[in-house]
Amino acid sequence: GDSVTQTEGQVALSEEDFLTIHCNYSASGYPTLFWYVQYPGEGPQLLFRASRDKEKGSSRGFEATYDKGTTSFHLRKASVQESDSAVYYCALSDLGGSNAKLTFGKGTKLSVKS
Amino acid sequence: NAGVIQTPRHKVTGKGQEATLWCEPISGHSAVFWYRQTIVQGLEFLTYFRNQAPIDDSGMPKERFSAQMPNQSHSTLKIQSTQPQDSAVYLCASNWGQDTQYFGPGTRLLVL
Repeated sequence: GDSVTQTEGQVALSEEDFLTIHCNYSASGYPTLFWYVQYPGEGPQLLFRASRDKEKGSSRGFEATYDKGTTSFHLRKASVQESDSAVYYCALSDLGGSNAKLTFGKGTKLSVKS
Repeated sequence: NAGVIQTPRHKVTGKGQEATLWCEPISGHSAVFWYRQTIVQGLEFLTYFRNQAPIDDSGMPKERFSAQMPNQSHSTLKIQSTQPQDSAVYLCASNWGQDTQYFGPGTRLLVL
């Protein structure tokens, strides 16, 4: 079945550090890829998505590029802020898109200190 | 514009009791999804409905768990004879035909 692997379980950074969270996926079809962010006491909220090879998604200074060749969708941000502290999930949706279930990675907890 | 509404936000039950969780999707959305979130397993898909019809329940435990969507404005997840291992955050999400899902805040279920 489909799967998503996030290498980092926890990341601790200082403000203005560069962030990379690695995400690799395995899917039988051509999935849409997502990054979601979850704050304490809330449900996950969409950061951005990408649906085709080489497409770059971005939001709030975060970005990731869909790479079908390496089956990756790594999250990056050039300069993190304390307010970016949260749990980040990489996810995919297969079966041609609309109304298909999401398969999530295990999540990466980002802690940023000022 | 209200987001996905889930009630109750917190529920404590004794082992063996029944728990019913409610979800009100965003108005106009045609699909409702249920997920379970635990520290160990992370976010797991349970089941989903489209236009109130059950489409995929491949993630639902075969016993004690059931879900319904009697009308377009709400869905319920029922757990019979709750067990401590059912303790989790249960998340509901909805969408209207795009693949982006919008999540509610979740119901935190604790089974003692």
